[in-house]
Parts: sequence; structure tokens; C-alpha cells
Amino acid sequence: DTEVTQTPKHLVMGMTNKKSLKCEQHMGHRAMYWYKQKAKKPPELMFVYSYEKLSINESVPSRFSPECPNSSLLNLHLHALQPEDSALYLCASSQGGWGISSYNEQFFGPGTRLTVL
Amino acid sequence: DAKTTQPNSMESNEEEPVHLPCNHSTISGTDYIHWYRQLPSQGPEYVIHGLTSNVNNRMASLAIAEDRKSSTLILHRATLRDAAVYYCILRAALNNDMRFGAGTRLTVKP
Repeated sequence: DTEVTQTPKHLVMGMTNKKSLKCEQHMGHRAMYWYKQKAKKPPELMFVYSYEKLSINESVPSRFSPECPNSSLLNLHLHALQPEDSALYLCASSQGGWGISSYNEQFFGPGTRLTVL
Repeated sequence: DAKTTQPNSMESNEEEPVHLPCNHSTISGTDYIHWYRQLPSQGPEYVIHGLTSNVNNRMASLAIAEDRKSSTLILHRATLRDAAVYYCILRAALNNDMRFGAGTRLTVKP
């Protein structure tokens, strides 16, 4: 299984809603990532988890709250989002943990397209 | 962070070779050069990576300049399926930090 799955594919939410994005991989990868991608722009790194611990937070607003319950699963909890947070949210994983110098191709999921009304 | 510079867009004809350039004049000695591509409505996918020597795999070839300040991704025979945004990325050797640049949008004409 060389796949990263993300659910849901699409999500529409109001500014007062609470929702979660889910990402799963069964490749035994030890690093998992959240990226945000606005239309016609490159992906921007948000968070990195390495061995289930948060390693990188790229100054992301607290209305985005990541969680890594186990080595296969990564969640992104959303609360009180703004319309400008509408974007494609991509999850990725790589074999080695953060800080390990080794071959570390990132495998990306198809993304969740989020619309905030 | 070391940055990359790529043309915004390129066009190619089907079944012809494509050379996608990338400049990275501030690359450090331990940065790996990675290429990813993003097909429409999909997440990015890995294409190839290298450090100093040229690299080949089933998808493409990577030619790295001797001074490492530039590289070229070579698709040997472009197909319509190769139409995508191609990202040249420098990855620090000590971690998995990958920062995407603007990328090159490749259009393949039949």
C-alpha cells in the first residue's frame, strides 16, 4: 500500500463550525505533513509531525490544530475559520523522521478542498 | 532558505523531449535537488532527486550543473499525461524541509 488517503474530498463550513480533516497512511512512514495550497499557488508547509511529535509549526494560526493520534493517522482540527482559509489542504508522509538525513521522498494525498463561507 | 527560479510556463509537443530548467544559485553544499510534479486536481508526486551526479529513473532524467547552481529535468518523450506543474525544490540534507517554489506549468500539445 503506497497511498496516502485524505477525507473528506470536499468540505464546506461556516465560520462558526468545527470540523476535522483526516489523513491516513499505512506505509510505516514516521513523518507526516500538512500543507495548504491556494489556487494557482505552490503548496505551503503548515505542520510536520515526526515520530508522532510535532516538529514544525510554521506560525500557523491557532484556529488550525493538528493532531497525530498514532503513526498512521494525522488530523487537522478546524475552528472559527475565515473565508481566506479556503484552500486545498494536502497531507504527505515520508519514510524517515524529521532531522534524519536519508532518502525521503514525500508521498502526497489528493487533498481536501475546503470552502469557508 | 535557498530559493529556486523556474520559468512560469513551457510548451512542448507530444512525443518530443522536454527540458525544464531550474536555477538555484544559493544552494548549499548539502542541499538535495528534488523535482515534484502536480497533475490537475491531484497532490504533488515525486519525480526525481539528486545531489551532485546526473540521475535517471523510469520517469525522467536530472542533469545537475557542475557548480550545482542549476539543474534541468528532462522528460525524454512528453505525453499528454505529462501536462502538469513541475516544482524544483531544494531539500536540506539534515531534515525533510522542502519549500515549494512557483513551479513551471508544462503544456503538452498533441
